[in-house]
Amino acid sequence: DQQVKQNSPSLSVQEGRISILNCDYTNSMFDYFLWYKKYPAEGPTFLISISSIKDKNEDGRFTVFLNKSAKHLSLHIVPSQPGDSAVYFCAASVGSGYSTLTFGKGTMLLVSP
Amino acid sequence: NAGVTQTPKFQVLKTGQSMTLQCAQDMNHNSMYWYRQDPGMGLRLIYYSASEGTTDKGEVPNGYNVSRLNKREFSLRLESAAPSQTSVYFCASNRLAGDSYEQYFGPGTRLTVT
Repeated sequence: DQQVKQNSPSLSVQEGRISILNCDYTNSMFDYFLWYKKYPAEGPTFLISISSIKDKNEDGRFTVFLNKSAKHLSLHIVPSQPGDSAVYFCAASVGSGYSTLTFGKGTMLLVSP
Repeated sequence: NAGVTQTPKFQVLKTGQSMTLQCAQDMNHNSMYWYRQDPGMGLRLIYYSASEGTTDKGEVPNGYNVSRLNKREFSLRLESAAPSQTSVYFCASNRLAGDSYEQYFGPGTRLTVT
């Protein structure tokens, strides 16, 4: 049973527009969420995180929104750039600190010029 | 500051052979992790070590063993490799900052078992 789901395997967006990547989770114990970006042949790179006590966290072009009642989070990238083309993974954990992460299967984002 | 390093980058094994994947971090992190990533799948946790001297099983531990050699190093061993273990393996360590944390990943080891 997949506890973290990214239902869109891929997303195509034009440069300058908004990219919205979605993630759903089933485990109500999850209280910390992270987004990672991964380029081919490289390890995942941390992008942004959010604790369940918040519903929004912003860092530059990246904003993560959390809707606890819907068990849904989304990553907004504005404006999208060709260099943002990568696979994006959503991950969740129970508690912060020395917890283990459960990852979604990823969404491949392609930003075209 | 190299972050998380992994060796080797690539490896081809025959079924039944053994090997050890090495991981080291120079960030003084307490927790370290081993994941595997297969096509169309997210990262799945194999083993982790919350602190030096402790190790615990993750989601897919069968066929693997680990050793937390010291605070810096966390190795993953395949005693008798099987084709199902063909995958990309990532090591990670945790940075805890207040009530938030990040996992830093190494560049990965691409393993093929024939």
